[in-house]
Amino acid sequence: GENVEQHPSTLSVQEGDSAVIKCTYSDSASNYFPWYKQELGKGPQLIIDIRSNVGEKKDQRIAVTLNKTAKHFSLHITETQPEDSAVYFCAATSPGYSSASKIIFGSGTRLSIRP
Amino acid sequence: GAGVSQTPSNKVTEKGKYVELRCDPISGHTALYWYRQSLGQGPEFLIYFQGTGAADDSGLPNDRFFAVRPEGSVSTLKIQRTERGDSAVYLCASSLMAGEQFFGPGTRLTVL
Repeated sequence: GENVEQHPSTLSVQEGDSAVIKCTYSDSASNYFPWYKQELGKGPQLIIDIRSNVGEKKDQRIAVTLNKTAKHFSLHITETQPEDSAVYFCAATSPGYSSASKIIFGSGTRLSIRP
Repeated sequence: GAGVSQTPSNKVTEKGKYVELRCDPISGHTALYWYRQSLGQGPEFLIYFQGTGAADDSGLPNDRFFAVRPEGSVSTLKIQRTERGDSAVYLCASSLMAGEQFFGPGTRLTVL
């Protein structure tokens, strides 16, 4: 089955600097890669996603890249702000056109933004 | 609108007891998922329902775990003969068919 590896496990950056989180996946059938942000006491919340037919996607300060050949994908946060502090999870899944699918999560990165 | 809700938010029980955890999905969402999150880890898939039927229960760790969704809306995760290793946050999510999964806040289960 699918296995998703994520690193680093913790990351501390100065406010205003960039943060990068990297993940790898094992199953070439995975075609959808969501990223989640989880704050203390809450469930994960989708912040951005990318499909396997796209190499890069950007939404304001957040961008994701995907290298299908190498089975690597990354999250980039620019101009970090204190409210970016949280745990971030990468994930992989393979939903069909009309069928749902389980999500396989990475182990998470605890991001801390230093003022 | 209302998101996914889970009750109770916290549950403390003794080893060997039976527990039920409830999930109310977003209205109209056909797919419902259960995940388990241990401290410092990512959520791990347990089971998902498409309508009333369990489409994939490959993540249930053993036969002490069971889930139902009798009317295709609310779901209950049932754990028999709880063990200390069952302590975790149990997350529920729902989605429209193959769409984005929206997560609830979770139920924190502690088995003493």
